[in-house]
Amino acid sequence: AQTVTQSQPEMSVQEAETVTLSCTYDTSESDYYLFWYKQPPSRQMILVIRQEAYKQQNATENRFSVNFQKAAKSFSLKISDSQLGDAAMYFCAYKRVGGSRLTFGEGTQLTVNP
Amino acid sequence: EAQVTQNPRYLITVTGKKLTVTCSQNMNHEYMSWYRQDPGLGLRQIYYSMNVEVTDKGDVPEGYKVSRKEKRNFPLILESPSPNQTSLYFCASSPRTSGIGYNEQFFGPGTRLTVL
Repeated sequence: AQTVTQSQPEMSVQEAETVTLSCTYDTSESDYYLFWYKQPPSRQMILVIRQEAYKQQNATENRFSVNFQKAAKSFSLKISDSQLGDAAMYFCAYKRVGGSRLTFGEGTQLTVNP
Repeated sequence: EAQVTQNPRYLITVTGKKLTVTCSQNMNHEYMSWYRQDPGLGLRQIYYSMNVEVTDKGDVPEGYKVSRKEKRNFPLILESPSPNQTSLYFCASSPRTSGIGYNEQFFGPGTRLTVL
């Protein structure tokens, strides 16, 4: 069975600084997707970024980028130029190719200090 | 507007009183799923449905029931709620995935359930 682990329950960052959230996963599949979701206080689940395992290039979406290390089964999220609106719970998630189910990590609560 | 709706958004109930949380999507998605979110545990899948009349257990199905009589609706039923079912519940839907195609999963706004 696939598992996803986020070892940082809480992180904090100063506004305009950079922060990296960690995620590791375990799977026997070779093709899969990895995701980072953001959950602000409104509780809405917002997809931040997606990585296809068959792509070597790390995904980037504006200030958000990932460091995908397939051999190490590591998938970290880097937030650059942090903004107050980035404060939220962040979830790492896994989905195998051809499947529909998402497997989530425990979440990391990010605080952005002004 | 394409969306997943859940009702109610907040519910406080007592142990043993049957309740239903409704979920509806207007995107003609085949796949629907229920998750519960608990502190330190992330989101865990309760039940899912690949299409009408096709449902299956997720990771934490005990104490829950679902039905899929129509494509757009996927209600979650707690026949005898207990305090350990106090949680934040999310419904989600997506087109059925085939091959290597990617289909984004859309989430509802969440239902905060408290069982006293």
